[in-house]
Formats: sequence, structure tokens, C-alpha cells
Amino acid sequence: RKEVEQDPGPFNVPEGATVAFNCTYSNSASQSFFWYRQDCRKEPKLLMSVYSSGNEDGRFTAQLNRASQYISLLIRDSKLSDSATYLCVVNNPPGTYKYIFGTGTRLKVLA
Amino acid sequence: EAGVTQFPSHSVIEKGQTVTLRCDPISGHDNLYWYRRVMGKEIKFLLHFVKESKQDESGMPNNRFLAERTGGTYSTLKVQPAELEDSGVYFCASSTAYEQYFGPGTRLTVT
Repeated sequence: RKEVEQDPGPFNVPEGATVAFNCTYSNSASQSFFWYRQDCRKEPKLLMSVYSSGNEDGRFTAQLNRASQYISLLIRDSKLSDSATYLCVVNNPPGTYKYIFGTGTRLKVLA
Repeated sequence: EAGVTQFPSHSVIEKGQTVTLRCDPISGHDNLYWYRRVMGKEIKFLLHFVKESKQDESGMPNNRFLAERTGGTYSTLKVQPAELEDSGVYFCASSTAYEQYFGPGTRLTVT
């Protein structure tokens, strides 16, 4: 089983839609979780950190479910500019600074 | 504030040659990381420096890869001799804590 798993997509959604991605992780002791956004041929950019049950920043909400070992990312009122790959990242081993990346979920917002 | 910078942005070398990649972290960031993405795979951790010391080099694929961080400032990653499977995008990141900020990457092609 992979340490971090994501549905690769693509998710094609119309502008204004709400879309959610899930990411599962294998180490139940993991403490730190992140969502990064990566545009084509660019570097990952930090979107959100998740340390407790969740985090919200404008149209973006991240939630952590420790019992089921997944984190989710919800994007409301999707914009064309939200089209990108969303990377789920977990610190593993817990307490270290080493990042384990998922393969990413591709989102395309359609006009 | 300047972000993480990497040089070169692209490098094309022949199998058996040597290549050195450079990373300049965000000023004041003691933690510096190297990651690699090979085609079709997720981004993978290579190593982590704290100042000039190697904290974790568990992701380094073999002894053809040598990373240094002289004086705790910029870092270099040397591949010698390069093999075809070393092709990919090499990202550098830096941080003060858990949130890491990535550079634009060096795209390495070994022919």
C-alpha cells in the first residue's frame, strides 16, 4: 500500500461548481498534512496546512479524518484559475520534516 | 522576499557525464531539501539539510549522488556519472519549520 494515495482524476467541473478531493495516508501516527497546488511544469506551491481537524481559507477547506486516515480538500465556487494538479503531502515519519507526496489529482475547471 | 532559486533550469547531458545542480534557499531558512520527480511518478524525497549538516539522506538513490551545503547557505547536488534513469525534475525546497517552499526545479535530461 502506498504511503499517500490520491485519485489522479482528472476532475472536469464547470465554473462555479464545488469539488472535493480525498487523500488517504497509511501511517496512523502522522501529524502534519499539506495541500499543494502545482501548475503544469511549475513548482508545488503551498495551498494549505492541516494540523488539527481542519482549516479554511476563503473558498478552500481542508478536513482531517484521523479515524479513517484521510484528508480532504473542498473547493467552492470553482474558478478557471483553479485548474491545476493538487498534491497531498504528509510528513512521514511523524515529527520529521520529510515529505511524502501523493501522485496528485488533476482538476480542470471548464468555462 | 526572494523565493528559492535553482540553477540551471534545464540541463541536457550524456550518460556518463557529470552534472551539478545548485539551490539557493530563502534567506534565513535553516532547512533545505532536495526532491526528485521522474516521469509519471510522484515527487520523492532525496535528503534534508539542517544548516550544513545532513539530517536525513534516506532518499538518495545511490552513491552517484552527492549533496553538499557549504556554510549552511546554498546547496549543490552532483550526479556523477549520470545514468539514463536519473532524468527528471529536481526540486529544492527550504523551510523554517514544517511548511516547505519549493524552487522552480531543474529539468535534467540524460541521453
